[in-house]
Amino acid sequence: EVQLVESGGGLVQPGGSLRLSCAASGFTFTSYWMSWVRQAPGKGLEWVANIKQDGSEKYYVDSVKGRFTISRDNAKNSLYLQMNSLRAEDTAVYYCASLPSSSWNFDYWGQGTLVTVSS
Amino acid sequence: SYELTQPPSVSVSPGQTASITCSGDKLGDKYACWYQQKPGQSPVLVIYQDSKRPSGIPERFSGSNSGNTATLTIRGTQAMDEADYYCQAWDSSTGVFGTGTKVTVL
Repeated sequence: EVQLVESGGGLVQPGGSLRLSCAASGFTFTSYWMSWVRQAPGKGLEWVANIKQDGSEKYYVDSVKGRFTISRDNAKNSLYLQMNSLRAEDTAVYYCASLPSSSWNFDYWGQGTLVTVSS
Repeated sequence: SYELTQPPSVSVSPGQTASITCSGDKLGDKYACWYQQKPGQSPVLVIYQDSKRPSGIPERFSGSNSGNTATLTIRGTQAMDEADYYCQAWDSSTGVFGTGTKVTVL
């Protein structure tokens, strides 16, 4: 059974940092691109970042460029999102999702972890 | 930046057909996929590569994509199909989601 389990969310002050983790199991992690997608309270889905299987390519939505860093540890089947200089508008549920390069769709999603940026 | 526009809401009677559109510049030149999200749950892929259904998705869900518009069609809509639906495509390695459509089964 495919499982993606996010952790690391919480309450952080504006300007602060947080590191999200996503533990993957039940599929060949090294064969997949991986992504972070977020959803602000009561709002729609927003793609945040992608990382290639070997970490050699990374892409970000403009609003997080220079502040967020996506990374992965294939030995640990884990995906990460380092979030710095957090803003109130970064408040959202953050989902990790798997992205097969054969079809380029988010085929499996985690349950999400809530990040709240507030003073 | 690339944008995908959906109607905010669609209402449908049980057993009838619901159609949800997704509009974007030359969207037909890209692959579109669709996600269903029920309250408090993570999104679920229901259509990928314009018209393919993942394993476990009922046949009543179908998709098409041509010109500037992708369409998700739900035939014989059931109460369990009441949810938010989002289209999604890629523009130069950047992911773009549609604005979302709330489907209400009356």
